[in-house]
Amino acid sequence: DAKTTQPNSMESNEEEPVHLPCNHSTISGTDYIHWYRQLPSQGPEYVIHGLTSNVNNRMASLAIAEDRKSSTLILHRATLRDAAVYYCILSGSFTGGGNKLTFGTGTQLKVEL
Amino acid sequence: EPEVTQTPSHQVTQMGQEVILRCVPISNHLYFYWYRQILGQKVEFLVSFYNNEISEKSEIFDDQFSVERPDGSNFTLKIRSTKLEDSAMYFCASSEGQGLYEQYFGPGTRLTVT
Repeated sequence: DAKTTQPNSMESNEEEPVHLPCNHSTISGTDYIHWYRQLPSQGPEYVIHGLTSNVNNRMASLAIAEDRKSSTLILHRATLRDAAVYYCILSGSFTGGGNKLTFGTGTQLKVEL
Repeated sequence: EPEVTQTPSHQVTQMGQEVILRCVPISNHLYFYWYRQILGQKVEFLVSFYNNEISEKSEIFDDQFSVERPDGSNFTLKIRSTKLEDSAMYFCASSEGQGLYEQYFGPGTRLTVT
């Protein structure tokens, strides 16, 4: 599996945008970039995914570098409820019988008032 | 919004005992997964299950582990003879399809082996 590198932790103030970076210099041409997050004492939760183009959904935006060796998850207005560990995960689009997710250590996002 | 449920929320067992962790995936999902997270460590993939058979498993998923979909709704993880190092949070997940389909995770079962 291609490796991802994320900062261990980041801090943000409430109502401000947050940019969570992820480096994946060994990404292959068929790897999708997925982001999940894990709130305290909960299971992981899907956030967003993309291949080459920037993506937006109700939770966040994903900006992907032109060379695809890095990406950034953007939370437009952080709230206290966004405090979580954010995981950047690479995964091929098709694997037989499912798609295992390989979690790293992620980025612990702290949001302050 | 549909959700994955897991029971029990906390299971305490003695070393050497068998445990069964239960999950009810989202009803129209076809792919099922178990992950575990030892306290303070990464979430680790255990097994994926599709069409009533294991499609992929990790090195952790040895002969002590088994999975089953005994009926149309439940998905279970059995540990035959628990060890102290099996103590962890176990998460069940399901997805509608493979590849790009997001995985929906349950709230987890905390397994404590004493």
